[in-house]
Amino acid sequence: GAGVSQSPSNKVTEKGKDVELRCDPISGHTALYWYRQSLGQGLEFLIYFQGNSAPDKSGLPSDRFSAERTGGSVSTLTIQRTQQEDSAVYLCASSVILAPTYEQYFGPGTRLTVT
Amino acid sequence: AQKVTQAQTEISVVEKEDVTLDCVYETRDTTYYLFWYKQPPSGELVFLIRRNSFDEQNEISGRYSWNFQKSTSSFNFTITASQVVDSAVYFCALSVLETSGSRLTFGEGTQLTVNP
Repeated sequence: GAGVSQSPSNKVTEKGKDVELRCDPISGHTALYWYRQSLGQGLEFLIYFQGNSAPDKSGLPSDRFSAERTGGSVSTLTIQRTQQEDSAVYLCASSVILAPTYEQYFGPGTRLTVT
Repeated sequence: AQKVTQAQTEISVVEKEDVTLDCVYETRDTTYYLFWYKQPPSGELVFLIRRNSFDEQNEISGRYSWNFQKSTSSFNFTITASQVVDSAVYFCALSVLETSGSRLTFGEGTQLTVNP
């Protein structure tokens, strides 16, 4: 079946602009995660959603970052007033449920470049 | 807090050599899960294996094998008879359910290059 998809695959934006990154999880997966992969920080957790529960936003690096998940499926990660340090690959993953006994399936990522 | 360390930043081998990727982890939790993911040049992270903290049995899957030792907090990954297609970045990761919602804490990754 279809895997996790993300769009756009690449995004170049000017410093100060807002961007939206989209994630379509695997159908039926209730848990959804966002991670960021950058040269300086490696792979780091940003936020997760589980069903209709309140998301865990503890990994978001600043209040310029926000995310939502509509209808328990598609998720959007929004970065406001982008900065050059936001340049990274943003990865989305989904899992059957929020439990480490179920592996996380990753999407191909969105490469964000802030100029 | 959890931490994963992959001390080897880059490894280069010749095809058919065996290679071991090291992973050392830190956690105070008694129940935890360890993972290995592969990231080929295409960029997508591919799940390889998951082990829980109560199962120290080594595992073998084809040319891949994993050695989990709680006494040294290590979860090493060995590729036997390496092939060019094994070239990728390999990440070790740790997950603890109770306090962090199954989020993955990743090591820095090891870039493996297998030369023909």
